[in-house]
Amino acid sequence: GNSVTQMEGPVTLSEEAFLTINCTYTATGYPSLFWYVQYPGEGLQLLLKATKADDKGSNKGFEATYRKETTSFHLEKGSVQVSDSAVYFCALSGPDSGGSNYKLTFGKGTLLTVNP
Amino acid sequence: EAQVTQNPRYLITVTGKKLTVTCSQNMNHEYMSWYRQDPGLGLRQIYYSMNVEVTDKGDVPEGYKVSRKEKRNFPLILESPSPNQTSLYFCASSLRPGGAEQYFGPGTRLTVT
Repeated sequence: GNSVTQMEGPVTLSEEAFLTINCTYTATGYPSLFWYVQYPGEGLQLLLKATKADDKGSNKGFEATYRKETTSFHLEKGSVQVSDSAVYFCALSGPDSGGSNYKLTFGKGTLLTVNP
Repeated sequence: EAQVTQNPRYLITVTGKKLTVTCSQNMNHEYMSWYRQDPGLGLRQIYYSMNVEVTDKGDVPEGYKVSRKEKRNFPLILESPSPNQTSLYFCASSLRPGGAEQYFGPGTRLTVT
């Protein structure tokens, strides 16, 4: 079945540091890939997405490129801010083994803390 | 404002007492889904619905029921809650499955004693 593996946290950075959170996936066919962010006490919200190979999703200074050859979708940001502190989830959407359910399959999440 | 609402936000109950968590979306989305979030396990899908009267099991359906009588509502029912159902629950909806963004509710924190 589909699966997502993302780097374990927690990750602690100083403000203005460079951020990379690794994400790799296993899926049948051609899934869509997502990064969701969860701020403390809130639900998940979409950060960025890519729906086909070599697409780059970007939002709020974050970027991720859909790499089919390495089955990866790493999240990057050049200069993090304190307000970026949150849990980040990599996810894919693709048919399950039965071909009928385009559910989101999530990684376990990476807690990012940015210190001033 | 486009949103997914859940109620209640917090609930403490006892083993065996039936409860319902409501979910409603105002975006006319066809696809709705329930997830539970547990430490170290991420989010796992409980049930999903492709449209009115069309529901199916996700990865962890045991102990849960759902219904989809109207497009906007997708309640989650725990007929006989047990302590292992203590978790944070999220409802989500999207225009369609696949590459469309899923919109999440704020979450319901359930504790079963």
